[in-house]
Amino acid sequence: LAKTTQPISMDSYEGQEVNITCSHNNIATNDYITWYQQFPSQGPRFIIQGYKTKVTNEVASLFIPADRKSSTLSLPRVSLSDTAVYYCLVGGDDKIIFGKGTRLHILP
Amino acid sequence: DTEVTQTPKHLVMGMTNKKSLKCEQHMGHRAMYWYKQKAKKPPELMFVYSYEKLSINESVPSRFSPECPNSSLLNLHLHALQPEDSALYLCASKHLAGYYNEQFFGPGTRLTVL
Repeated sequence: LAKTTQPISMDSYEGQEVNITCSHNNIATNDYITWYQQFPSQGPRFIIQGYKTKVTNEVASLFIPADRKSSTLSLPRVSLSDTAVYYCLVGGDDKIIFGKGTRLHILP
Repeated sequence: DTEVTQTPKHLVMGMTNKKSLKCEQHMGHRAMYWYKQKAKKPPELMFVYSYEKLSINESVPSRFSPECPNSSLLNLHLHALQPEDSALYLCASKHLAGYYNEQFFGPGTRLTVL
């Protein structure tokens, strides 16, 4: 399983775009990149998944360069309610391992 | 129904007690998971069931005993736990077919071992 590295924490302000980058240098050919969000005392919630290039859904975008050794989660116009821990995971089968995650703190 | 439910929400038990955690989903998912999460740490995988069979055991102590009686239910039986086993226990499920890796997590059971 590919190991992931993310910033431990980030601060941003309401209304800003937030980009969280994850590095995964030893990603395998059949691995997908998945991001989860977790609020305190709740289970993680799936945000987005991608394999290459760009994926966009109603809450986020995921940018993956051609070499796939990193990925960037982009949250447009964040609000206070986006304060949470964001996990980047890499894998392709039924076993996924959470990395340390990024604590995102949104300020008013 | 796109929900994973877990009961109880909170559990306090002594080191000599026997208790069980329950997880249920009705999304037709054939993979189910138990995770343990300590405060300010990421979830740690404990067990994976695929088609009701135990497929992964991450070297979890035998005082934790999983059970998958059918495709919708997952139990975690607890016996002779230690105070360091106090944590949030999360259940998750997902489809096995295809590449999509979205796991649906329940709200967790907050376990305190005295």
